Amino acid sequence: EPEVTQTPSHQVTQMGQEVILRCVPISNHLYFYWYRQILGQKVEFLVSFYNNEISEKSEIFDDQFSVERPDGSNFTLKIRSTKLEDSAMYFCASQPLRGADTQYFGPGTRLTVL
Amino acid sequence: LAKTTQPISMDSYEGQEVNITCSHNNIATNDYITWYQQFPSQGPRFIIQGYKTKVTNEVASLFIPADRKSSTLSLPRVSLSDTAVYYCLVGDTYNNNDMRFGAGTRLTVKP
Repeated sequence: EPEVTQTPSHQVTQMGQEVILRCVPISNHLYFYWYRQILGQKVEFLVSFYNNEISEKSEIFDDQFSVERPDGSNFTLKIRSTKLEDSAMYFCASQPLRGADTQYFGPGTRLTVL
Repeated sequence: LAKTTQPISMDSYEGQEVNITCSHNNIATNDYITWYQQFPSQGPRFIIQGYKTKVTNEVASLFIPADRKSSTLSLPRVSLSDTAVYYCLVGDTYNNNDMRFGAGTRLTVKP
């Protein structure tokens, strides 16, 4: 069964550094998402992406964040200048088409900002 | 997006049926009800989705009364591996693909 993959599984960085989290969505899926989950808290929507542009974003997704689909397979989340409070699990998800009953989540990247 | 309310936690024993109820009083006409499961340090995993009445798949059943203001996820004969957090989400999946998770219900299955 096809899966969403994410790399790295764990990223440690210093405050103020830039990080890029990578995701490979399921082939032929058209909608892509990033979510984050701070330890012990709920899953929070960050951004959705379709047709090479952001379709929706939450209030969390400020100017420090950006997303890109640089080629036909990867979907990346960049945090320009990390803060301590960016430490969380970051999940990528993909969906085959609008209205499909499920988004398929990747295993996540644990980001630790020191 | 309709707000949802679920119990924070539930305990059960192996082999029992577990029913987790979610309240969504402000559900809109176009909203669907979707349940996800999440194990520690893993991404959420789709369990089931429904609009009204009853939906059943190989994993669970979803019961939705006529007024759709609540729904119940039913897990038959749970095992230890069903210990997880279960999320109820309500939204118009055709027009709003961003999912807003609540706190979920932490189910603990005991031997």
